[in-house]
Order: sequence, then C-alpha cells, then structure tokens
Amino acid sequence: AQSVTQLDSQVPVFEEAPVELRCNYSSSVSVYLFWYVQYPNQGLQLLLKYLSGSTLVKGINGFEAEFNKSQTSFHLRKPSVHISDTAEYFCAVSDSAGGYQKVTFGTGTKLQVIP
Amino acid sequence: NAGVTQTPKFQVLKTGQSMTLQCAQDMNHNSMYWYRQDPGMGLRLIYYSASEGTTDKGEVPNGYNVSRLNKREFSLRLESAAPSQTSVYFCASSELAGGFYEQYFGPGTRLTVT
Repeated sequence: AQSVTQLDSQVPVFEEAPVELRCNYSSSVSVYLFWYVQYPNQGLQLLLKYLSGSTLVKGINGFEAEFNKSQTSFHLRKPSVHISDTAEYFCAVSDSAGGYQKVTFGTGTKLQVIP
Repeated sequence: NAGVTQTPKFQVLKTGQSMTLQCAQDMNHNSMYWYRQDPGMGLRLIYYSASEGTTDKGEVPNGYNVSRLNKREFSLRLESAAPSQTSVYFCASSELAGGFYEQYFGPGTRLTVT
C-alpha cells in the first residue's frame, strides 16, 4: 500500500520570499512522485514529476522538488514566490505505470502569498 | 482541443434524487477516472476505467455507478443522493507517454446534496 503525508495544511509566505512545501510518502515498491497545483475553482494540473534518474526535478513556474529516498520525502521548493503562486498544492505517489495509473494524493497544502 | 470537459459545473440535489455527471475527453486517451475532493482529504478515487469496456472500483465506490460509454465518455451516476456525497467531483484521463501516465483533469462539478 502507498500513502502520502503533507505536513502543512496551510503555508503563508510573503511575496518574493522562498517557500518549501513538505511531502513524505510510503510505498513498498519503487515509486513515481508528483506535485500537482490547483488554482481556485479549477482542476489539477501537473507541476512536476519524479520517475527515475536525477533526484532534483524541475517543474513549471520555477518550482523544483528533491527526491530523498532515505528520508522518503519529496519536498517542493521555490526560491521566490509570486502572488500568482497562491493555490493549493498536492503531492501524489504512484507505484504503477502499466495499463493505467493508480495515484494516491495527499491532503493538500494551501499556499497563501502575502503582498 | 478542449481536453477534459465536465457537465454540469454546479448542481444542487435533494436527498434521494438521482443524477448523472458527464465527462468527455478529446485526447484519445484509453484510461479515465472519477475522483471526489473533500476539504482536508485530498482526492479520492471513486471508479476508473483502464480502457474502453472496462470499469473498476476505486477507494470510495459506494453509492456510485459508472459507465464507459465509448472511448471519449465516462459518466458517474448517483442513484440516490445523500448529504455525504456533497463534494467536488473531478474527471481525469491519462495515456502512456515517456513511460508515465500523466493525468489530465477536468474543471470539476460542484455538487451539493441537501
């Protein structure tokens, strides 16, 4: 079984400050890890993904995440946030890439960027 | 190319009423999914369809039925709505690309059951 824990339900941060959104996962097999972003009243869109290879993954809008197998973490970071980054962010894990994708989502972290 | 579309966008039902949520995708994807999103609980999989003609239960299937009408369309039916089914419902589709199935989400249907 796989699971995802997002440690913070809300993260307020001032504009142009750095931010880190934390995510820990558990899985009994090799994993694929993702971050999705959900803007108000919209569906989810993929921000970045880790499938294999380099543990530092770069995504859209200046976000990046680092896969740490020993700590079972996949934290999301941005060095300088903008007002437009205000959204809810979901960490997700999948242990299958065959046939279909069974994804387990975390409970979400609301990022509030303060002007 | 509209991606994944869902209808209706909003719906209010009384307890015991039935309704069908519609989902269509124009990306020729094989796999489609229905999720519900509740505050503090993330997204939970209700049903999925790995390919046309197949459907399987997800994490929270009770009170729902689905139909994969064709490759494009995947509908979710509530036979007798209950207040516990008040939620935001998302449809998604996916296809293998680069060794990975990226899911594309629709804009959601906001359902309130009174």
